[in-house]
Amino acid sequence: QKEVEQNSGPLSVPEGAIASLNCTYSDRGSQSFFWYRQYSGKSPELIMFIYSNGDKEDGRFTAQLNKASQYVSLLIRDSQPSDSATYLCAVSYNFNKFYFGSGTKLNVKP
Amino acid sequence: DVKVTQSSRYLVKRTGEKVFLECVQDMDHENMFWYRQDPGLGLRLIYFSYDVKMKEKGDIPEGYSVSREKKERFSLILESASTNQTSMYLCASRVAGANVLTFGAGSRLTVL
Repeated sequence: QKEVEQNSGPLSVPEGAIASLNCTYSDRGSQSFFWYRQYSGKSPELIMFIYSNGDKEDGRFTAQLNKASQYVSLLIRDSQPSDSATYLCAVSYNFNKFYFGSGTKLNVKP
Repeated sequence: DVKVTQSSRYLVKRTGEKVFLECVQDMDHENMFWYRQDPGLGLRLIYFSYDVKMKEKGDIPEGYSVSREKKERFSLILESASTNQTSMYLCASRVAGANVLTFGAGSRLTVL
């Protein structure tokens, strides 16, 4: 069973702060890693993906991957109330199947 | 933009009924997926399809079947609905080998 673990939250941060979301995975063969954002009542949408160890930045978002520790994180800088959503971590080991965590709910307080 | 359309947003069915959930995508994607989403359990893969008439079981296929007779349409079938199949069902599609899954709006099924 391939497991993807996330703290369910809620994670509360003040507007303008850095939000840090974490995810661990069980399968060392996992090759690709994704962060999806899901607003309440809506479907998930991809915000970032990362394949290699290290950091990948896209605007206010930074994904960090550490394959040795089987750990992937998402940092959101200058958090905005519009970032309030559930963030889903997903991993794939062969590009054919994606395994999702249960998500971390983020609340950004004005 | 790719559009993935799920025909029903909300359904209420009775135990034992046969249920069809339809999903249509408009971008000629080879791969299509059915997930269910439950609180605390995340998204779990039910079935996916590589291409027309090709399917593979996901992690929780029991009680479900699928049909893909045309490339754009992927149907999920509950042969005899049970209360433990009450859930949000999400369809997704992608180009084969691509890293982006595009999801439909979801179908919330309640089985009484």
